[in-house]
Amino acid sequence: RKEVEQDPGPFNVPEGATVAFNCTYSNSASQSFFWYRQDCRKEPKLLMSVYSSGNEDGRFTAQLNRASQYISLLIRDSKLSDSATYLCVVNPGGSQGNLIFGKGTKLSVKP
Amino acid sequence: DGGITQSPKYLFRKEGQNVTLSCEQNLNHDAMYWYRQDPGQGLRLIYYSQIVNDFQKGDIAEGYSVSREKKESFPLTVTSAQKNPTAFYLCASGDTHRNTIYFGEGSWLTVV
Repeated sequence: RKEVEQDPGPFNVPEGATVAFNCTYSNSASQSFFWYRQDCRKEPKLLMSVYSSGNEDGRFTAQLNRASQYISLLIRDSKLSDSATYLCVVNPGGSQGNLIFGKGTKLSVKP
Repeated sequence: DGGITQSPKYLFRKEGQNVTLSCEQNLNHDAMYWYRQDPGQGLRLIYYSQIVNDFQKGDIAEGYSVSREKKESFPLTVTSAQKNPTAFYLCASGDTHRNTIYFGEGSWLTVV
């Protein structure tokens, strides 16, 4: 089983749609979780951390399910500018050098 | 502005040549990292450094070398021993408070 798995997509959605991505991880002892956004030919940028209780930042909601070992990202009222690849990142513990990146889910928001 | 600066942004290298990618940060982060990203692939860790004058190999260190003489700087040398060096190289530094990392804008290396 891969350490961090994501559906590569692409997810093609109309503006205004709600879209959700899931990511599964294999190490049950993983301690921290993040979503990064990467635009085409650009560097990944931290979108949000994922907390056990779930957290929301504007139109974005992240949730963690430790029992099933998955995290999710929900985007409401999609904008054209949300088009990007979303990377799931897991820290299994220890130093930040242990961060494990998923290959990303590509989202394309159409007018 | 605070951030991570990589240079050059685009670099072309002939086969058999070494090339050095620069990475400088003014975020006062102790840890710094180098990743490689190939088209359609995830990020792979090349080297990382938690403190000045110390660094560790990542998953794909063969054909690369680094140094960490100053806290702010973590240059990566792509040597002629690296068989497939054409890729997007990302430098990052670590925020221990948030337990995550932030990236520079990246360097595109093409071997011609």
